[in-house]
Amino acid sequence: EAQVTQNPRYLITVTGKKLTVTCSQNMNHEYMSWYRQDPGLGLRQIYYSMNVEVTDKGDVPEGYKVSRKEKRNFPLILESPSPNQTSLYFCASSLGSDVAYEQYFGPGTRLTVT
Amino acid sequence: AQKVTQAQTEISVVEKEDVTLDCVYETRDTTYYLFWYKQPPSGELVFLIRRNSFDEQNEISGRYSWNFQKSTSSFNFTITASQVVDSAVYFCALSEAWGDAGGTSYGKLTFGQGTILTVHP
Repeated sequence: EAQVTQNPRYLITVTGKKLTVTCSQNMNHEYMSWYRQDPGLGLRQIYYSMNVEVTDKGDVPEGYKVSRKEKRNFPLILESPSPNQTSLYFCASSLGSDVAYEQYFGPGTRLTVT
Repeated sequence: AQKVTQAQTEISVVEKEDVTLDCVYETRDTTYYLFWYKQPPSGELVFLIRRNSFDEQNEISGRYSWNFQKSTSSFNFTITASQVVDSAVYFCALSEAWGDAGGTSYGKLTFGQGTILTVHP
């Protein structure tokens, strides 16, 4: 089944403790991105990647890192999480970066930083 | 400036009522795509529709219909005879071409703030 998977689905952590949220897709998609969802703000793009080893900042990149060493995986790294990073996170992938391509979303990761 | 505006933060209706969710967008591109997503209480994002900027035909899918009007930059979503299972957050989104720092163009998806729809029995 074609899908985007994220792990973990739920995470409660403390300020400053490094964490990684994994994202994997099995559709051989080139383009992947991370979004965070906050009430009243919709989804905002954190980082995106057009292909292996090609990543760039989205609208809200501060406090996050990403890497794209393999086509299928696009982990989101929070080196020193803070409470303002408490949010619902979505990973997405699409066949390419063209405006026409639909993005497929993972199930979401709900992160709480205390 | 907000590129995608969903002015209705919350809507509450009684089952079987019709409800329209508004979406207004802003872009200078002539080629772009518009989307609607549903987010039920379980949290996942469910794709509902994609419409390109050259196709202004209205779309109907069961109880769902979409009205795309380029003249008013709107892409409104109507649920006919609403049901309790329609209760969710609905997002409108715009995909348009953006250039990154290196000058490469890519399709950027921008979401509206979302509308919380509650359908009461």
